Amino acid sequence: KQEVTQIPAALSVPEGENLVLNCSFTDSAIYNLQWFRQDPGKGLTSLLLIQSSQREQTSGRLNASLDKSSGRSTLYIAASQPGDSATYLCAVKGSSNTGKLIFGQGTTLQVKP
Amino acid sequence: DTAVSQTPKYLVTQMGNDKSIKCEQNLGHDTMYWYKQDSKKFLKIMFSYNNKELIINETVPNRFSPKSPDKAHLNLHINSLELGDSAVYFCASSQGPGHVNGYTFGSGTRLTVV
Repeated sequence: KQEVTQIPAALSVPEGENLVLNCSFTDSAIYNLQWFRQDPGKGLTSLLLIQSSQREQTSGRLNASLDKSSGRSTLYIAASQPGDSATYLCAVKGSSNTGKLIFGQGTTLQVKP
Repeated sequence: DTAVSQTPKYLVTQMGNDKSIKCEQNLGHDTMYWYKQDSKKFLKIMFSYNNKELIINETVPNRFSPKSPDKAHLNLHINSLELGDSAVYFCASSQGPGHVNGYTFGSGTRLTVV
């Protein structure tokens, strides 16, 4: 049974710092992995999607990596800003054909001015 | 144009009532999903429909019944609401269960049962 874990659960950093959020999963047979952002009281915004055959994806100040064999993904945020404050969720899509996403419990990030 | 829209955004109701949440997507996606986010912010899938056919039905009380009249709509009806049903319910869509692209989520419906 696939389980997804995110560490740390919460993180507080000063503005301008580079940071890394971690995601680990127990079954390496994944189809893809997606990072989402959730602002308080809001829905989920997709940030980056990494296919199982890819090693990383980049969008602006965000870079996500995937190491399937070790069951790990990281989300790197460069030069953090207060507007980056949100909960970041990692979700894996298993190799079955149902499209089901398994989510981690998220990392809540606070970037202080 | 909202890609995945849910109504209502907020729903407060008494125990024992029956309520429905509606979801519509204008992305032309074939697959739609309902996820539940509990008080600890943990998201878990409930149901999925692909081209109006039910493909995922997790261990959910049978008081919850999804209905997909067409592939652009997926509604969730809940009978005999209980306090424990209080949560945020998210609708999502994707091009297909095995498609390489990811999901698009709606903004959620916050259900409070009193």
